[in-house]
Amino acid sequence: QLQLQESGPGLVKPSETLSVTCIVSGGSIGVSGYYWGWIRQPPGKGLEWIGDIYFSGTTYYNPSLKSRVTISIDTSKKQFSLNLRPVTAADTAVYYCVRRRSGYTNGWYDSWGQGTLVTVSS
Amino acid sequence: ILMTQSPNTLSVSLGERATLSCRASQSISNNLAWYQQKPGQAPRLLIYGATTRATGVPARFSGSGSGTEFTLTISSLQSEDFALYHCQQHSTWPPSWTFGQGTKVEIK
Repeated sequence: QLQLQESGPGLVKPSETLSVTCIVSGGSIGVSGYYWGWIRQPPGKGLEWIGDIYFSGTTYYNPSLKSRVTISIDTSKKQFSLNLRPVTAADTAVYYCVRRRSGYTNGWYDSWGQGTLVTVSS
Repeated sequence: ILMTQSPNTLSVSLGERATLSCRASQSISNNLAWYQQKPGQAPRLLIYGATTRATGVPARFSGSGSGTEFTLTISSLQSEDFALYHCQQHSTWPPSWTFGQGTKVEIK
């Protein structure tokens, strides 16, 4: 059974870089058919899509975050990562790694990690 | 695309029907998903393509609608259904998916 597990720093200072990694088990990350992505949820608020990456390296980003976001993938380590810089308090959120099927408008996410809370504070 | 859910909170008794609404600011055809989220947990996919139940989702959950107006119906609420529900459009290309603000279903 596919499992996604996030790991993150917990606390990041304003203006620095937020880095979160997702390790995938129970399935292959290096095959066609799926995009791997990130969604976040500020405390007490709704969900926000951050972006996706394909095993080939093709990426899609939320236009509102595009200038600050990089998503990368390492198929040999079965993991993908999110970098967000520079961060502010508004980036405080639970960050979820997710999976969706590839294909136009196949934008629903059928697998989620448990989430990792990242707080931005000095 | 802006997604708006209503109501923000829905109070329902066990065994009753719950009807949740989601409106898109422009037509998204049938490209809508619903998720259920319990406290401290990640969201769980319930419905995609507006009407298709995800694997393992009970038949009491059903989705309807197209264009800009969508509904999630829970036919007979069970104790495990009290949760936060999110809608998400998966229509835009290139991807720029957006979510509603959520509807909390609570015990009346």
